[in-house]
Amino acid sequence: DTGVSQNPRHKITKRGQNVTFRCDPISEHNRLYWYRQTLGQGPEFLTYFQNEAQLEKSRLLSDRFSAERPKGSFSTLEIQRTEQGDSAMYLCASSFGARNYEQYFGPGTRLTVT
Amino acid sequence: GQQVMQIPQYQHVQEGEDFTTYCNSSTTLSNIQWYKQRPGGHPVFLIQLVKSGEVKKQKRLTFQFGEAKKNSSLHITATQTTDVGTYFCANYGGSQGNLIFGKGTKLSVKP
Repeated sequence: DTGVSQNPRHKITKRGQNVTFRCDPISEHNRLYWYRQTLGQGPEFLTYFQNEAQLEKSRLLSDRFSAERPKGSFSTLEIQRTEQGDSAMYLCASSFGARNYEQYFGPGTRLTVT
Repeated sequence: GQQVMQIPQYQHVQEGEDFTTYCNSSTTLSNIQWYKQRPGGHPVFLIQLVKSGEVKKQKRLTFQFGEAKKNSSLHITATQTTDVGTYFCANYGGSQGNLIFGKGTKLSVKP
């Protein structure tokens, strides 16, 4: 399978705990995006990388959120001191080239904070 | 970013009926993309429109971009149960380029 993969697919954690998600994009794609999606809403942009550089962050991304893409390949999204409001589907997408290209989404990681 | 509004939020149709969802913006859009998300699935790219007045077809799906590039529509002819899902329009906003999604139109098809 050469699509975008995400791990884990589901994560249940207690409030206050830290969680980390991983995204493996399509290998030749240089851009990687993180989105958050809640029920009945469209995906909301969080941040994106071009190669290893983090180029833009949404103001939705509080200080508790951090993302990395150390070698321009896979990426991790960490949420520290999780809150119940962080419960959502976290989607990763990748694309090739500059803006205006189609994005390929992974299956997502569903986070539930209890 | 350039916010896009979608209507309707929900649409219930009988199999075989047509379906249309609309995407509107108060500002001129550089482009518009359409994605489909099946229940329990992830968004899947359908098409991108760039030119004013552009019309593209994919089998039973017809996509249009308005002359003023402020609105777009997706029309499905003779819906099938496989068309069930949420259809999102999205636009590249931000200074560097990130997609801004509408809230989507959820389509259900009664067989």
